[in-house]
Amino acid sequence: GQQLNQSPQSMFIQEGEDVSMNCTSSSIFNTWLWYKQDPGEGPVLLIALYKAGELTSNGRLTAQFGITRKDSFLNISASIPSDVGIYFCAGYSGGTSYGKLTFGQGTILTVHP
Amino acid sequence: DGGITQSPKYLFRKEGQNVTLSCEQNLNHDAMYWYRQDPGQGLRLIYYSQIVNDFQKGDIAEGYSVSREKKESFPLTVTSAQKNPTAFYLCASSIVSRDTEAFFGQGTRLTVV
Repeated sequence: GQQLNQSPQSMFIQEGEDVSMNCTSSSIFNTWLWYKQDPGEGPVLLIALYKAGELTSNGRLTAQFGITRKDSFLNISASIPSDVGIYFCAGYSGGTSYGKLTFGQGTILTVHP
Repeated sequence: DGGITQSPKYLFRKEGQNVTLSCEQNLNHDAMYWYRQDPGQGLRLIYYSQIVNDFQKGDIAEGYSVSREKKESFPLTVTSAQKNPTAFYLCASSIVSRDTEAFFGQGTRLTVV
């Protein structure tokens, strides 16, 4: 099946630092989604991207849909302790596989006060 | 409030027993999904359904069964044939569309002893 490679696997940063993570795929996707998951909870949608080249912000979060449609990036500026969690990218190829999202392995973010 | 409800939050079962996890949504979404999450891994698709009375196998369907008799409900049965059932199970729903966003429930942590 389709594979999404998400990196880095984990990050340890100081409060106030900026964070970058990315996802790459061997396949083209029509939609890229970024989720955050707190321990023991379901993932919460942060940003949705629908067009190649699209750059979208949500507060301190900014995500981009790569021009090739095979990658996406998420940046978090001025990190705070509540940013701690696991961040997942997800890609959706559409067509006959409506709603069949493929997820990356996740990036575990730790923020030191 | 609209949302997705999974129950129970924690579930313990003896090895060899079938167990059914509940997922209900009142978002009027046509599509529903079940994912499995193991520690340090991303989400893997078990089954998904785009419409009532129809469902499709995901990437790891062996040892699981589902039904979709109502639009609002998509229960997952973990059968005794599933060799390693202990995991965190997540249910999600979305509209059926090219531009789709999946919304998740809070998850059920199943422990088989």
